[in-house]
Amino acid sequence: EVQLVQSGAEVKKPGESLRISCKGSGYSFTSYWINWVRQMPGKGLEWMGTIDPSDSYTDYSPSFQGHVTISADKSTSTAYLQWSSLKASDTAMYYCARHHGDYWGQGTLVTVSS
Amino acid sequence: DIQMTQSPSSLSASVGDRVTITCRASQDITSYLAWYQQKPGKVPKLLIYAASTLQSGVPSRFSGSGSGTDFTLTINSLQPEDVATYYCQQYNSAPRTFGQGTKVEIK
Repeated sequence: EVQLVQSGAEVKKPGESLRISCKGSGYSFTSYWINWVRQMPGKGLEWMGTIDPSDSYTDYSPSFQGHVTISADKSTSTAYLQWSSLKASDTAMYYCARHHGDYWGQGTLVTVSS
Repeated sequence: DIQMTQSPSSLSASVGDRVTITCRASQDITSYLAWYQQKPGKVPKLLIYAASTLQSGVPSRFSGSGSGTDFTLTINSLQPEDVATYYCQQYNSAPRTFGQGTKVEIK
């Protein structure tokens, strides 16, 4: 069974760093790119960027370029989304999804508040 | 970036009605379009890809059509369990933009 399992909810302060994860199982992790999608409270879906786990090539939305970093570790079949300095406006649900959108993680709620 | 514009933003229909949601791309995306359903508090679910191909396990009352810049999602015979927000997404080029969503309710 294909699964993407994300790390748990996080509560952070502005300026702190954070890395959340998305672990794939039940398929060849390096065969499918992983996308990250943001959903702010009560709002729509926003595509943040993508990574090819086979070679860690990344492509970012201009809206997120420079503010987040997407990475992957193919040895553990895990993709990551990280921030070096969180802002209150980063408060959102974050989803990972397989490239074709057929499988999604359960989401990781990130709350940034002083 | 390719802009995706959905209409309407919300709609209310009766059980059994036929519901149509449109999605317009700001430039030609051929058939690189997907439709997702997101129920309140749930993870988005892929309904249709390649503009008109039904994802495995999705009820046949859902259908998609269109190519180029204009696309349609149709729900034949709306059911109570179809209450959700529906999103289109283009995957012709990065960034893979979503439409703003269409909220479907039961009248």
